[in-house]
Amino acid sequence: ELKVEQNPLFLSMQEGKNYTIYCNYSTTSDRLYWYRQDPGKSLESLFVLLSNGAVKQEGRLMASLDTKARLSTLHITAAVHDLSATYFCAPRAQKLVFGQGTRLTINP
Amino acid sequence: DAGVIQSPRHEVTEMGQEVTLRCKPISGHDYLFWYRQTMMRGLELLIYFNNNVPIDDSGMPEDRFSAKMPNASFSTLKIQPSEPRDSAVYFCASSSLTKATEKLFFGSGTQLSVL
Repeated sequence: ELKVEQNPLFLSMQEGKNYTIYCNYSTTSDRLYWYRQDPGKSLESLFVLLSNGAVKQEGRLMASLDTKARLSTLHITAAVHDLSATYFCAPRAQKLVFGQGTRLTINP
Repeated sequence: DAGVIQSPRHEVTEMGQEVTLRCKPISGHDYLFWYRQTMMRGLELLIYFNNNVPIDDSGMPEDRFSAKMPNASFSTLKIQPSEPRDSAVYFCASSSLTKATEKLFFGSGTQLSVL
């Protein structure tokens, strides 16, 4: 059974700083998704990573995938308040299994 | 496209009542998923369908829960009888996962409160 662990679960940071969210998973997966959820809202897709070494970037967010290590990272560069949200990773092994989520708060 | 449409947005009911949640997936998507989200347990996959056929219902918590997909444009999740511990946000999502880059698109969710 696929198990997913994200860390940290809670992250409070200052605007302008850089930080990384980690996503470890337990079994082989053919793709990995990152999602964002604002409070009281639905989930919004950020990235789909398909292969080992894949890197995707959008604005201040960059996601990468290491399938051998079963690890994905979401890097935040020069954080801004608008990025405050909960971020989920979800590797797929027949079905998508979501991590616990990382609640990110960016303070001015 | 209007996206994945769920109804109702909010449902408040009393313990023991039957609850039916509805979902219209994005046209052309052949996968449909039902998830439940709570603070304690996070996002849990309840059941998913491929081409209207249930593929994996191992996440359905009890026999009180049932899901159907009578056609490609409609699915229901029913809880009978409902209990307070069923209170959660229920999300429906659809996709065409045979396409490598296809994302999973989520509906707005149904906030269920069982009193």
